[in-house]
Order: sequence, then structure tokens, then C-alpha cells
Amino acid sequence: QQPVQSPQAVILREGEDAVINCSSSKALYSVHWYRQKHGEAPVFLMILLKGGEQKGHDKISASFNEKKQQSSLYLTASQLSYSGTYFCGTEGAGGTSYGKLTFGQGTILTVHP
Amino acid sequence: DGGITQSPKYLFRKEGQNVTLSCEQNLNHDAMYWYRQDPGQGLRLIYYSQIVNDFQKGDIAEGYSVSREKKESFPLTVTSAQKNPTAFYLCASSILTTLATNEKLFFGSGTQLSVL
Repeated sequence: QQPVQSPQAVILREGEDAVINCSSSKALYSVHWYRQKHGEAPVFLMILLKGGEQKGHDKISASFNEKKQQSSLYLTASQLSYSGTYFCGTEGAGGTSYGKLTFGQGTILTVHP
Repeated sequence: DGGITQSPKYLFRKEGQNVTLSCEQNLNHDAMYWYRQDPGQGLRLIYYSQIVNDFQKGDIAEGYSVSREKKESFPLTVTSAQKNPTAFYLCASSILTTLATNEKLFFGSGTQLSVL
């Protein structure tokens, strides 16, 4: 099953913060986050592995709560370049889920000047 | 430069026709994937392969077929059985390690398939 992302869309002004959530109905081994600009390929942001951790670089960070099977992506002091569609991808914990990355439906983020 | 090459960028299919989308990578990656992207539905997994001559069905494999005869190549055939093939198709690859079951995915630039 696809993980569920929320919200479906976010509109921000430059400098504002946003949180995008990703929730799964199954036990997870890892969560990936990617950003896609219109007409382009998705670009990797970060991976969070089982064990519950938080990662970040620059003003984008993420957390992974394996007990709740949820991950959140935090964008602080947003810039125009942050605009795009954000996808979480989840890999289940279990033999048949090995190497299989399933993506959510995406969250469209628009940053205005 | 290393990367993933998808071709063609645009493809048109006639009724009842099979078409093949090409995906080649020179990253020496073990795993390769095919995703279909429709507006509002995110990326849905069609097929994936972790080793040459082996592949697994994803969530929407019906109407598609793949082969993995070489490590660097993973072509996708959209058969006439796929009744709604119009979509953006993305190929991806990744390293598989024993420590983490998934490294990050590297995506190709995609193929837009349309039905005539």
C-alpha cells in the first residue's frame, strides 16, 4: 500500500515554515524523501532508517518515528527554490519488502515572494 | 558522466500496439526500478529488479513486462493489455548493500507516453 502524505498542498511566503507528514499502515525499515520540480526527475533529499532518527541539512530536516510508522519533513525559512512536489518513499520491514520502495501521492509546495 | 538514460523522451502508442521504453545506467547499480506517474497519484511501482535475470512485480504490473539481461539495462514494454497507458514513466536505480536495504534512488529524466 502507498504511504499517505499530508497535506496535499501547501502555499507559503518566503521565510515561512512547513511540515509535510508521511504515514504508513505497515512496519517500516526506511523512509526516503525526494523533491520533484515540474517536468524533471525527482531528486533525493534524505533517507531515515529504522531506529528512529532525525536528519537534516541546511534548513530541511526530517524525523522518523518507527513505532508510529510515520515520518515528517520540516522546511524552515522557506526559499523560492523549495517549490516543487515532495514525495516520501517507504520500504517495509520484512523479507518480501526488501528493496521495494513505495511512494506516497506527493505534497505540492508553492513558495511565493 | 555517470547516470541513467531514458529514451525516448516522448512516445506515442497506437491502439493494440506494444511499445518499449529504454532505460540504461552506467552507475554499476544492482537494483533498477520502473515507476509510473499520474497526476495526483504520486509514483507507483511497476517492476523492480535487484539482480540480472531476476525481477519482481510491483503494485501495478498488469499490462507491463520487463527484462534484465544486462546489469546496466532494464527495458519496460507496455503491452496492448495495458488499457490506460498514458502517463509519465520514470526509471530509477540504486546500490543494494548488506547494511541498508536501500540506498538512494537515482532517477532518469522520464518518458511521456501518450495514446494516439
